[in-house]
Amino acid sequence: NAGVTQTPKFQVLKTGQSMTLQCAQDMNHEYMSWYRQDPGMGLRLIHYSVGAGITDQGEVPNGYNVSRSTTEDFPLRLLSAAPSQTSVYFCASTPRVSGANVLTFGAGSRLTVL
Amino acid sequence: AQSVSQHNHHVILSEAASLELGCNYSYGGTVNLFWYVQYPGQHLQLLLKYFSGDPLVKGIKGFEAEFIKSKFSFNLRKPSVQWSDTAEYFCAVTSAAGRRALTFGSGTRLQVQP
Repeated sequence: NAGVTQTPKFQVLKTGQSMTLQCAQDMNHEYMSWYRQDPGMGLRLIHYSVGAGITDQGEVPNGYNVSRSTTEDFPLRLLSAAPSQTSVYFCASTPRVSGANVLTFGAGSRLTVL
Repeated sequence: AQSVSQHNHHVILSEAASLELGCNYSYGGTVNLFWYVQYPGQHLQLLLKYFSGDPLVKGIKGFEAEFIKSKFSFNLRKPSVQWSDTAEYFCAVTSAAGRRALTFGSGTRLQVQP
């Protein structure tokens, strides 16, 4: 049981490049979400999904796209990277069971945009 | 919209000292409250949670937190800290009927000196 797996762990991009951060979970959790962590700002919600085929925006969605074609996968796409997107990104999941708002986090992906 | 305030940004303690980290939230309805910990170089782990019932909740590693509804607070405490408690601590909240995504505070960096 691997939990939440994120790849890559580290990535350096040039401004304007595109890339996808991968997130996969093997716990059959319906809910998945992406956060970015910046110093002094805690974690901020980028996008989330309540199930396959359903996604919605969080606090800071600009510059990011997501899709949820399967229950297991929830990739985060940067279409044209900007230095402001330099951050550590965390994917998380939780089951739909009522009251079970406990998130399981991945190990994080550190992205640097030059 | 929900928001979470953590008033202590950086706390330095000696081993065996007592710890209290403040957390206040703003939300008018029923909430679920969490404390997460992030050890250096690691991802977030759940320390403890409050859903309902006894407002004094106990978590892992000797931590506890008290939910005071009238003060919109959920302060984290530990009677005697250890060097291994050095980490960043995040308070988080979601509405009980929420979307399984959390609103985080900005975090408190705890440094325990041996």
